[in-house]
Formats: sequence, C-alpha cells, structure tokens
Amino acid sequence: GQQVMQIPQYQHVQEGEDFTTYCNSSTTLSNIQWYKQRPGGHPVFLIQLVKSGEVKKQKRLTFQFGEAKKNSSLHITATQTTDVGTYFCAGKAVTGGGNKLTFGTGTQLKVEL
Amino acid sequence: GAVVSQHPSWVICKSGTSVKIECRSLDFQATTMFWYRQFPKQSLMLMATSNEGSKATYEQGVEKDKFLINHASLTLSTLTVTSAHPEDSSFYICSGELAGTDTQYFGPGTRLTVL
Repeated sequence: GQQVMQIPQYQHVQEGEDFTTYCNSSTTLSNIQWYKQRPGGHPVFLIQLVKSGEVKKQKRLTFQFGEAKKNSSLHITATQTTDVGTYFCAGKAVTGGGNKLTFGTGTQLKVEL
Repeated sequence: GAVVSQHPSWVICKSGTSVKIECRSLDFQATTMFWYRQFPKQSLMLMATSNEGSKATYEQGVEKDKFLINHASLTLSTLTVTSAHPEDSSFYICSGELAGTDTQYFGPGTRLTVL
C-alpha cells in the first residue's frame, strides 16, 4: 500500500534558526496537504498543494510540491517557540486510494530559547 | 468556518464495555467523514471512511464488528468501540471532508483509556 515517509523524525532548533521537513510518497499524489499538531492537540490544516512544482508561502512557512508529485517539503524561516509541534504531510494517491488521505510519519519540532 | 466537534473529549471505561464517540460537523455538511486512531508519538492511522447513508469502508486490519460506525446524517458520525480492551486505548480523531475541496477538518479528538 501507499507509504508516506517524513524526515527527520525529530528536530531541535534554537529560536531564530530555520527548519525543514521532507515528505516522500511511494506513489504519485493528486495533492499534498500539511497539518500541524500541537502537543495534546489535534491536527490543524495548514495548506494544500495540487500542481506539480507548486510553491506556496504563509508568512514564515514555505511549502513545495515536487515536480513528480511524489515529494514535498515545508520550510520554516526563523523559528519561534509558537512553531513547536508535529508537522504531518498527507497525500491522496492518484490511483487506488479513493478519497482517503495517507498521513506521513511526522516531524516533531522543538524550539529552544 | 469548517469546525468539527467530538464528544466526549476523554473517556475511561472498564474492559468489556462499549464506548460511543460522536463526531459532528458544526458549520458544514460532511458527506464523508473519516475516523483515525493515533497512538502516542505516532502518526494518524485511518480506520475507516464513513459516507452518509451507506456502510463504512474499513481499512485492512480494522475489525468492523468491533468498531461500529454510523453516519446517519450529513453532520453526525458515530464510532462505537465494542467490548473495549486495554489495547484499544488510544486517541481517536474524526474528520469531515468539505465537499469539493479535498480538505479534511479534524475534530479535537477523544482520548480513550480502557482499564
């Protein structure tokens, strides 16, 4: 079945440093979505990318969708303590997956002062 | 907009009892709702896809007779964990799909502890 892996699994940064998480799918995706889950909370939708090579920005967050639509990345510039949480990518397979999302393994971000 | 609620937010029950979890889309109609389970420090694992007015589609390895799903209306889906055992203790999260967007909005989750 479809697998979605994220690296790194954990990342500790000093406040102000940049952070990047990478997402790789075993199958081609129709779209990729990113979610943030704070400790003890539930996933919160951040963004959806649909087009091959698409880049979207939300303030300090930059999201990319690979040309082959099998990988994606989330980059945070100048991290803040409010960025703490686990970031999940989630993708819908082009074929065979129906309308379900397969979540990535997640990257847990910790930001230290 | 696109708010999903879950009730209860947490529940503790004895082994062998059944627990019902409700998932409601408060300000939109969700023809499709999804139920996930998340163990500590792990990702979300899809359990089943629930479509309004039809039987749920369960993922491989998820027992449909143990995890009963009912999606009676466009704003309500329920998950009943029957004859719960300690290994069923987990964080159960539902989501509703906003029609035409491919976007899922998640409820706050229900933390189930089976003693």
